[in-house]
Amino acid sequence: QVQLKESGPGLVQPSQTLSLTCTVSGFSLTSYSVHWVRQHSGKSLEWMGRMWSDGDTSYNSAFTSRLSISRDTSKSQVFLKMNSLQTEDTGTYYCARNGATVATLFDYWGQGVMVTVSS
Amino acid sequence: DVQMTQSPSYLAASPGESVSISCKASKSISNNLAWYQEKPGKANKLLIHSGSTLQSGTPSRFSGSGSGTDFTLTIRSLESEDFAVYYCQQYNEYPPTFGAGTKLELK
Repeated sequence: QVQLKESGPGLVQPSQTLSLTCTVSGFSLTSYSVHWVRQHSGKSLEWMGRMWSDGDTSYNSAFTSRLSISRDTSKSQVFLKMNSLQTEDTGTYYCARNGATVATLFDYWGQGVMVTVSS
Repeated sequence: DVQMTQSPSYLAASPGESVSISCKASKSISNNLAWYQEKPGKANKLLIHSGSTLQSGTPSRFSGSGSGTDFTLTIRSLESEDFAVYYCQQYNEYPPTFGAGTKLELK
């Protein structure tokens, strides 16, 4: 069955770089896009960016200058790297599969990884 | 960016009751709206897309309506598993944006 699982450090120091991995199973990264979405504690969801099935990427302009998404199809993994972290970046980070051919819909989600930015 | 405004933020109801959640877009998004359910310890679940189309596996007591800027999620005959947080999301234009969520609590 389709599964996504995020992994990464729970604690990152301010100004440092966050590196997260999304490991997927049950589908191919060359057939489906994968997104990163974050949620500040108790708040709403914010779309960060997308790894398209063809390897292209799209980013939310709110993060463009410090966000990078990449993948390793052989390992079924999608990576998020975001630099210059601040306390406001504390939250839960999710990866999600795009479930439609054209529309940006998230039909399967990981359970999320909580990241705290603190010294 | 398209702003999505959900109301109410909190809703208390009892099993068997029906509830409705509103989602308003800051500009017309046609019917490019989805609803998600969030429960502690579980992955978010896509319930409805295209404003009113039930995702496979979504119980028929859930329904969605609306187009343009005004949308509604209705849950009829609430069951215990329905108490959760619900989010709307527009996908008419980039970036996709979400409402702030509605927490449905047991009365």
